[in-house]
Amino acid sequence: EPEVTQTPSHQVTQMGQEVILRCVPISNHLYFYWYRQILGQKVEFLVSFYNNEISEKSEIFDDQFSVERPDGSNFTLKIRSTKLEDSAMYFCASSRTSWQFFGPGTRLTVL
Amino acid sequence: GESVGLHLPTLSVQEGDNSIINCAYSNSASDYFIWYKQESGKGPQFIIDIRSNMDKRQGQRVTVLLNKTVKHLSLQIAATQPGDSAVYFCAENEKANSKLTFGKGITLSVRP
Repeated sequence: EPEVTQTPSHQVTQMGQEVILRCVPISNHLYFYWYRQILGQKVEFLVSFYNNEISEKSEIFDDQFSVERPDGSNFTLKIRSTKLEDSAMYFCASSRTSWQFFGPGTRLTVL
Repeated sequence: GESVGLHLPTLSVQEGDNSIINCAYSNSASDYFIWYKQESGKGPQFIIDIRSNMDKRQGQRVTVLLNKTVKHLSLQIAATQPGDSAVYFCAENEKANSKLTFGKGITLSVRP
């Protein structure tokens, strides 16, 4: 069964450092998403991406965040200068028709 | 603003009993409603969805009910099993492939 994969599973970084979280969506999907979940809280939408451009973003997705689909398979989320409050689980998701399938997540810890 | 919320933070049920998990939403423009299951250390896993033009949809051991009049969504799990223990989230979006708005999540604990 096809699935969304994410790497790394856990990323530890120092405040102010740049991080890149990587995702490989399901191969025939066209819509891609990033969500985050702070420990014990609900999942929050960050950004959606379609046809090589951002289609929607939340207020959380400020200038410190960017997304890219550098090739036909990867989808990345970059945080330029991490803050303590960026510590969370980051989930990538993809969809083709309506159902969004989620990856296992990357746990980001900012020290 | 739009929000999706859950009435109860935890639910404990006896193995074999039926479980009912409830959810309220406030965005009347929502067209899709989805239930996700999240096991520890994993991403949300799709369970079942329902469109706003329906009031009931059944899957394998699960049923989703939608009451648009009171903006209420529920997930019924028949013959709950230990493997059903997880956090359950309701989510909604206004159209296919648009952002999902999640509720806070409810923990389902199944007693053997």
